Amino acid sequence: EPEVTQTPSHQVTQMGQEVILRCVPISNHLYFYWYRQILGQKVEFLVSFYNNEISEKSEIFDDQFSVERPDGSNFTLKIRSTKLEDSAMYFCASSSQGANQPQHFGDGTRLSIL
Amino acid sequence: RKEVEQDPGPFNVPEGATVAFNCTYSNSASQSFFWYRQDCRKEPKLLMSVYSSGNEDGRFTAQLNRASQYISLLIRDSKLSDSATYLCVVNAGGNKLVFGAGTILRVKS
Repeated sequence: EPEVTQTPSHQVTQMGQEVILRCVPISNHLYFYWYRQILGQKVEFLVSFYNNEISEKSEIFDDQFSVERPDGSNFTLKIRSTKLEDSAMYFCASSSQGANQPQHFGDGTRLSIL
Repeated sequence: RKEVEQDPGPFNVPEGATVAFNCTYSNSASQSFFWYRQDCRKEPKLLMSVYSSGNEDGRFTAQLNRASQYISLLIRDSKLSDSATYLCVVNAGGNKLVFGAGTILRVKS
């Protein structure tokens, strides 16, 4: 069964450093998403991406965050100047159509900010 | 009021038991509904979509009541492997999914 893959599985970074999280969505999917889950809390939407542009973003997704689809397969989340509170699991997801269709999640990147 | 509200549990049940989870959502314009399961420190995995007519997948039955803004999940003949956190998930328009905090299920032998 096709799946969403994410790298790295765990990223440890010093506060203030830039970090890039990578995702390869399911190949025939057109919609891509990032979510995060702080330890012990619920999954929260960050951003959705379609047709090479952001279609929706949450209040969490401020100017320090950006997304990019640099080629035909990768979908990246960049955090420019990390803060302690950015420590969380970051999940990438994709769907064949919009969010009325189920989204399929990658196994996540655990980001630890020191 | 929270957008998606679930009883956090935990629900501790013996193997073979039937267990039901409930979920309410606040946005009456919500268009699509899902149940996901999440194992400890893993990704959410789609369990089933929820349709107005109700739907069943093996031991799992999901129901939607739009008038009451209420979703349910019934698990029959619980297995040890059903132990997980069950997430009620709603799309309230646009492209984002809104997750409930989850209900913990522990199935014991």
